Amino acid sequence: NAGVTQTPKFRILKIGQSMTLQCTQDMNHNYMYWYRQDPGMGLKLIYYSVGAGITDKGEVPNGYNVSRSTTEDFPLRLELAAPSQTSVYFCASSAKGHRGEQYFGPGTRLTVT
Amino acid sequence: DAKTTQPPSMDCAEGRAANLPCNHSTISGNEYVYWYRQIHSQGPQYIIHGLKNNETNEMASLIITEDRKSSTLILPHATLRDTAVYYCIVRVEASNTGKLIFGQGTTLQVKP
Repeated sequence: NAGVTQTPKFRILKIGQSMTLQCTQDMNHNYMYWYRQDPGMGLKLIYYSVGAGITDKGEVPNGYNVSRSTTEDFPLRLELAAPSQTSVYFCASSAKGHRGEQYFGPGTRLTVT
Repeated sequence: DAKTTQPPSMDCAEGRAANLPCNHSTISGNEYVYWYRQIHSQGPQYIIHGLKNNETNEMASLIITEDRKSSTLILPHATLRDTAVYYCIVRVEASNTGKLIFGQGTTLQVKP
């Protein structure tokens, strides 16, 4: 199993540009999550999904959109990139229930200039 | 979900036990204590979790006080590779979302 994969690893965007961060998991997990981590800070939950077709906002959803058309994929969309969105983005997945520890991808480092 | 309080940083000598404390004084009866760690800039890694009994796995031990207001993560023989940020998180047992809310964590520096 590859686990949770994210692409790209690095990206530089200009202000106002758009992009999609890809996340795929091969563990058949129901739950998937997007976090952002600013330098020296803990992770903040952006959006999450409890299954295909179901998404909900986390702590910091403004400026982002998500979709979940399949169990495996959970892309994160930035429509109008702003410097405040410069961060490292982590995708994670978990099985249902309290024993469902989250498995994290390697992250995407995004810089908006 | 209950909030947690951790010291911002700790040092530990290589080969010695690392004891990382966490306060969660407002924890509810159905909230579990989870520990994750983040090595350098990698994605966080699950370590262990528990409700009220002490737990042990191949990575660590988790000691939860009887009143459940605090816990300690123990790495029995710390190595240089255990240098990381350690996050203590509480989460509702029957969470139908699986969400984790991360705090600032404790930066553990293991020294030779």
